[in-house]
Amino acid sequence: GEDVEQSLFLSVREGDSSVINCTYTDSSSTYLYWYKQEPGAGLQLLTYIFSNMDMKQDQRLTVLLNKKDKHLSLRIADTQTGDSAIYFCAETAYGQNFVFGPGTRLSVLP
Amino acid sequence: DSGVTQTPKHLITATGQRVTLRCSPRSGDLSVYWYQQSLDQGLQFLIQYYNGEERAKGNILERFSAQQFPDLHSELNLSSLELGDSALYFCASSPGGRSRSGELFFGEGSRLTVL
Repeated sequence: GEDVEQSLFLSVREGDSSVINCTYTDSSSTYLYWYKQEPGAGLQLLTYIFSNMDMKQDQRLTVLLNKKDKHLSLRIADTQTGDSAIYFCAETAYGQNFVFGPGTRLSVLP
Repeated sequence: DSGVTQTPKHLITATGQRVTLRCSPRSGDLSVYWYQQSLDQGLQFLIQYYNGEERAKGNILERFSAQQFPDLHSELNLSSLELGDSALYFCASSPGGRSRSGELFFGEGSRLTVL
């Protein structure tokens, strides 16, 4: 079946940039997502990118997509302690069969 | 607030018991998904319903069952509970079909503790 992989942990210092990486296997993916889960809460959509785009920027968030290598990344500029959370990469083909990665736990150190 | 409502938020029960988790999707959403999140296994897809019918099945145990009712709310039934069933159970909804962005909207989850 389709698979999404992420590194499990990332630690950065407050004010630095964070880069969370994700790889996926489904070549028919149409949308790729980044969700954020804060402690004790549900998953919240941060941003998504359509598969025919290379980059999407939204304030401090930059998403890069390399469709050839099936690699997605999320860059958070000027990382703050409030960004500490688990970040999930997910993909779908036209809103069907969502596949989530295992999540990357981001720790922001003061 | 995602618009997805899950009840109960917390549930403590004993092994061998049966519980029912309830989910009300966002207004207008036809698809409901159930996920299990445990510490060691991440987010596991259990089952999806679309407009009352089962659409996709994931790693759902035979002791678990679900349904979506005509008013589109969904229930996840967990029976013969084991210690390993302790987890956070999420419901998510989406408009369904071949939607523009296919975004899933998640509820806050039901935390089940089996003692």
